[in-house]
Amino acid sequence: QVKLVESGGGVVQPGGALRLSCAASGFTFNNYGMHWVRQAPGKGLEWVAMVRYDGSDKTYADSVKGRFTISRDNSKNTVFLQMNSLRPEDTAVYYCAQRGDGYTLAYWGQGTLVTVSS
Amino acid sequence: QTVVTQEPSFSVSPGGTVTLTCGLSSGSVSTNYYPTWCQQTPGQAPRTLIYTTNTRSSGVPGRFSGSILGNKAALTITGAQADDESDYYCVLYMGSGIWMFGGGTKLTVL
Repeated sequence: QVKLVESGGGVVQPGGALRLSCAASGFTFNNYGMHWVRQAPGKGLEWVAMVRYDGSDKTYADSVKGRFTISRDNSKNTVFLQMNSLRPEDTAVYYCAQRGDGYTLAYWGQGTLVTVSS
Repeated sequence: QTVVTQEPSFSVSPGGTVTLTCGLSSGSVSTNYYPTWCQQTPGQAPRTLIYTTNTRSSGVPGRFSGSILGNKAALTITGAQADDESDYYCVLYMGSGIWMFGGGTKLTVL
């Protein structure tokens, strides 16, 4: 079955950087695009970024554009989110999700918590 | 800036039917937005119920169905059960590789 496991979350000071990873298994990783989605404490879901199955295209929400970079390593079945210039409002649980067949988010990981605080 | 709109909260009686909607602050939702519906219970990761307007994900009970009603996407739960009490989010494909979530609907079953 599809399994997505995020890691790399933690506490970081404003202006700092963090790199999240999402290890995938149970499906042919290099056939699917991958998303990152976040959820601030007590708030709703916010789409963050998507990378195509082959890494050839990457798209971002306006709120993170220019600060966050999504990438993938198909040899390691892993997708990454490099987060720079972090702000307190970036505090959230970050989920990775498989894009699925079409324009959707099909399967989700359990999330990793990022806290931006001094 | 376009916003995806959802009812903040809804209530349904056990065994009843409820329809949650997903609209746009400007314009109409059509199948071209490939509406997806996700369920999230407190402290848990989201789970995708419906994608591409009306396709149920594997293992999702038949009481969940998706459609377009008028100018909105809709999620209908027929025969609601206690464990359907959750937050429900729609997410739309806005084009150009961009997705957007609605603010979510908190469904109470009582």
